[in-house]
Amino acid sequence: IAGITQAPTSQILAAGRRMTLRCTQDMRHNAMYWYRQDLGLGLRLIHYSNTAGTTGKGEVPDGYSVSRANTDDFPLTLASAVPSQTSVYFCASSGEKGDTQYFGPGTRLTVL
Amino acid sequence: GDSVTQMEGPVTLSEEAFLTINCTYTATGYPSLFWYVQYPGEGLQLLLKATKADDKGSNKGFEATYRKETTSFHLEKGSVQVSDSAVYFCALRSNFGNEKLTFGTGTRLTIIP
Repeated sequence: IAGITQAPTSQILAAGRRMTLRCTQDMRHNAMYWYRQDLGLGLRLIHYSNTAGTTGKGEVPDGYSVSRANTDDFPLTLASAVPSQTSVYFCASSGEKGDTQYFGPGTRLTVL
Repeated sequence: GDSVTQMEGPVTLSEEAFLTINCTYTATGYPSLFWYVQYPGEGLQLLLKATKADDKGSNKGFEATYRKETTSFHLEKGSVQVSDSAVYFCALRSNFGNEKLTFGTGTRLTIIP
């Protein structure tokens, strides 16, 4: 069982470019999440999805969008990247209400 | 809103030393509490959790007790090893609304032989 996979592992991106970070889980979990990790700030929630077809905004949603067309995939899109979006991005998923969240290996994104 | 405050790092200890990483929280109601660990170059892994007051979570020699009276969930280990070197995150999950986690800022732990 792969769990959660994220792609790419790392990316350097010019400011203004569009970028989609991919996240796929094979655990048939209903809920999925995107966090960004910044030094001194811990992890902050960007967007979440409680089930396929629904999404919600987290703590820091500006500049990001998500979609949840099916259970397994939860891509995160930066429509026009800015340097402040340089971060490590983690995708996570959880099953039934109250279940543990499981994290992917992360994507390190640098916006120049 | 919900918040988690954890001990500032970095923390450096000698092998076999006793470890405490403090964590306190602010939340409505009775949240679930977690410690996650992030080893170098990896994602976060659940280390332990507690879902109600006075519960003790334990794993790999680490323990933490859910103390509602002091709103704390301090992480302890009696004898640390070099392999425990990592970043540790305290987190809470509210039992209201969505299932999102609120994280502390993380504490980097380095164990020297």
